[in-house]
Amino acid sequence: GEDVEQSLFLSVREGDSSVINCTYTDSSSTYLYWYKQEPGAGLQLLTYIFSNMDMKQDQRLTVLLNKKDKHLSLRIADTQTGDSAIYFCAEPYNQGGKLIFGQGTELSVKP
Amino acid sequence: AAGVIQSPRHLIKEKRETATLKCYPIPRHDTVYWYQQGPGQDPQFLISFYEKMQSDKGSIPDRFSAQQFSDYHSELNMSSLELGDSALYFCASSLGGGFSTGELFFGEGSRLTVL
Repeated sequence: GEDVEQSLFLSVREGDSSVINCTYTDSSSTYLYWYKQEPGAGLQLLTYIFSNMDMKQDQRLTVLLNKKDKHLSLRIADTQTGDSAIYFCAEPYNQGGKLIFGQGTELSVKP
Repeated sequence: AAGVIQSPRHLIKEKRETATLKCYPIPRHDTVYWYQQGPGQDPQFLISFYEKMQSDKGSIPDRFSAQQFSDYHSELNMSSLELGDSALYFCASSLGGGFSTGELFFGEGSRLTVL
């Protein structure tokens, strides 16, 4: 079945690292995605990782992929108040373009 | 860089009316996707088009229809609107059907309110 799971809330202090976790079900996924959504705004593609990679780093963002456990994580270093948003992980359901989203993790960054 | 353009950004309709949302993909992108996001919900896939042909279909009601035109823009037509159709409608675009390049960009969304 198609199911992507995330924890719903995460609260950190400014300057700390944030780690948002996600589990997925389809082991044949070619790419896995992280999107950021600020209140009332669109879905901003943060980063994506190809399934043959274990890690991808892009400035303050680090994505870790554990294919054996079907676990994906997003680490934000030196978290800022501007990082406060909802973060969605997503996996393709098939090659036709359907993305299955997790419930979203609301990240709250306290000064 | 040009992004996915959606119009209108906000739309208010009455029950049983009809609404049309438009999506202009990133230049040279040939695939568009439509998603619906209810309040506090994650986005749900509605339908996608690759090279003007429907490539996949999700939980799109029969009251809704969509198409992709020769210039690759897409329109989502919604008829007999219901209160439950109030949501943020996202369009996304990519190059190549499905996930051949990995990059899948979303527009800012069209917020539909049905009264």
